[in-house]
Parts: sequence; structure tokens; C-alpha cells
Amino acid sequence: EAGVAQSPRYKIIEKRQSVAFWCNPISGHATLYWYQQILGQGPKLLIQFQNNGVVDDSQLPKDRFSAERLKGVDSTLKIQPAKLEDSAVYLCASSQMDRGYYNEQFFGPGTRLTVL
Amino acid sequence: GESVGLHLPTLSVQEGDNSIINCAYSNSASDYFIWYKQESGKGPQFIIDIRSNMDKRQGQRVTVLLNKTVKHLSLQIAATQPGDSAVYFCAENIRGAQKLVFGQGTRLTINP
Repeated sequence: EAGVAQSPRYKIIEKRQSVAFWCNPISGHATLYWYQQILGQGPKLLIQFQNNGVVDDSQLPKDRFSAERLKGVDSTLKIQPAKLEDSAVYLCASSQMDRGYYNEQFFGPGTRLTVL
Repeated sequence: GESVGLHLPTLSVQEGDNSIINCAYSNSASDYFIWYKQESGKGPQFIIDIRSNMDKRQGQRVTVLLNKTVKHLSLQIAATQPGDSAVYFCAENIRGAQKLVFGQGTRLTINP
């Protein structure tokens, strides 16, 4: 089966500019996650969707980050305006929905963002 | 806040030797622990998981050990190969939330 798709793979912008990332999860996966992975660190969850509803966005910097998952399939993550500290790899993951139980998360290749 | 962490940031082993990667966790409300492998330019790839009511689980060339008494998790890789070179992360699944908390990672380097 096809894996999680992300685009673009790389993006370089200047601070205060805006940027958007796209994710297409594995077909049939109801749960979608966006993670931020700063160099040398483990991924940190930014937002979790179940179908098109937000389950957890407690670590999303809402003054500059936004995400949506229209129609419960593809998702976009936007940063506006970007700061230097936003330089990181943005990973998208998806999993099947089984309420209350652990389901394996499958990760996409990520988008490497560099803010100059 | 509570988090999963690793003891060592880097580990170098000879090809063919066994590798042991360690992880300490602090959240008691976790029902699964997972090991991921991340190669350069790729997303994390699932290796093996273990449920909190188990203390050992084996896969192909990998074994995960869970010691809940000291909140310690380890990944053993038998007969390491060049393809095992990567960064390894442990993660814990928060019970009921389907939410993963990742540790910092250990870079495993295989010497020929």
C-alpha cells in the first residue's frame, strides 16, 4: 500500500514569510498527526486530527501555526509568519482509528524547513 | 513535564556485534512503548513495540526489554549490519490518547 505522502520535501524561506506543507495519509487512516522535529531531537506532536476534527492541539503555537484537514483526508499545516526557530523537519503521520487503543503510526518522509 | 529520554546520544559498534540502546521514561500512564528507526532524510520507521504488561518481546534480530520497576526500556539488535546505522528513538503511547511522546534519540554507527 502507498505510504504517507508529503510535499514539498524541502523549503527555504526568510523570517516573517509564510509557508504551507501538505500531507496525504494512508488510505483509510482516520487519525492524522503533524510533528515538528528539530535537529537532534525526537519528533514533537503539534496537532492530532481524527477524521476532520482536532483531537489535540495543545502544543501548536496558535499565534503563528494553523492546520486543517478538510473532508477528513488531506491536511495542510501553515506557518505565518515564520521565525528562525521554526527551522525543523515537519513530519506527518497517520494511523487507523481504534478509540482508546494504541495504533501504529506510519510516518511520511517529512518536509525540511529552513528559515533564514 | 514528563518525557521519554535516552541515556546516550551516540553509540558505535563493530559490524556483527550486538547493540544495546537504552531509554528511560517517566510517564506511568503509558500502555505501549515503541522503538523507531530514522535514517537520514526519512521519517521514523516502526521497529518493534511492547505492551506495558510485558517485559520482553522479540522480533527479527531485535529484542525489546521493559523494566517498569526502574522505568527503563532497551532495544537489542543482534549481529548489527551496516544497514542498521540510523538514529533510534523510543516513544511511549499515552494510554487512551493515541498520543506518542518521543525521546531524544541515539545515533547508532556501525564500524566495518
